[in-house]
Amino acid sequence: KAGVTQTPRYLIKTRGQQVTLSCSPISGHRSVSWYQQTPGQGLQFLFEYFSETQRNKGNFPGRFSGRQFSNSRSEMNVSTLELGDSALYLCASSQAVGMNTEAFFGQGTRLTVV
Amino acid sequence: GEDVEQSLFLSVREGDSSVINCTYTDSSSTYLYWYKQEPGAGLQLLTYIFSNMDMKQDQRLTVLLNKKDKHLSLRIADTQTGDSAIYFCAEEFGGGAQKLVFGQGTRLTINP
Repeated sequence: KAGVTQTPRYLIKTRGQQVTLSCSPISGHRSVSWYQQTPGQGLQFLFEYFSETQRNKGNFPGRFSGRQFSNSRSEMNVSTLELGDSALYLCASSQAVGMNTEAFFGQGTRLTVV
Repeated sequence: GEDVEQSLFLSVREGDSSVINCTYTDSSSTYLYWYKQEPGAGLQLLTYIFSNMDMKQDQRLTVLLNKKDKHLSLRIADTQTGDSAIYFCAEEFGGGAQKLVFGQGTRLTINP
């Protein structure tokens, strides 16, 4: 069974640009969550999608957005990039049904803003 | 509030047991998790415990949960060099919605 796949693994962008990151969940998983990991702030929750609906959102500015497709794949977008957006972006997938709520993470996309 | 606290560093000798501690705030959490992160990698789910349990054992890993004190610990028996990593505890919020709040992570170093 394939794990959570995130693409691309590495990205370098310039301030002011926008970026789209992709996450393919484990087959059968309908929930996808996104997290930002930085040395200063640690792991912070961005948002969670279930069946194409955003169910929960963290405390990030509106420049951070996401969506989920009917096949459960998810994308997150960051517009008007700032230097402080440099981070490892991790996505996690979960069945999120009944007692099956374990979240499995991908390898992450490392974004560097210059 | 949503707050999970861990000590930042732990150093043990190879073959000894490692105990990583964590305190959390929300007593209504259903699950508490332990993740492992190696350099340059994502998060690997190690184990989790349901909130109505006191203990869970999985091979070399033992999780203890003290709900009264909101204290969670992970014990790694017979620690090996491959156990060197950062260990995160995480508390699940939001009911059915997948929102995890993580501690700062404990960097485990193994001494030969």
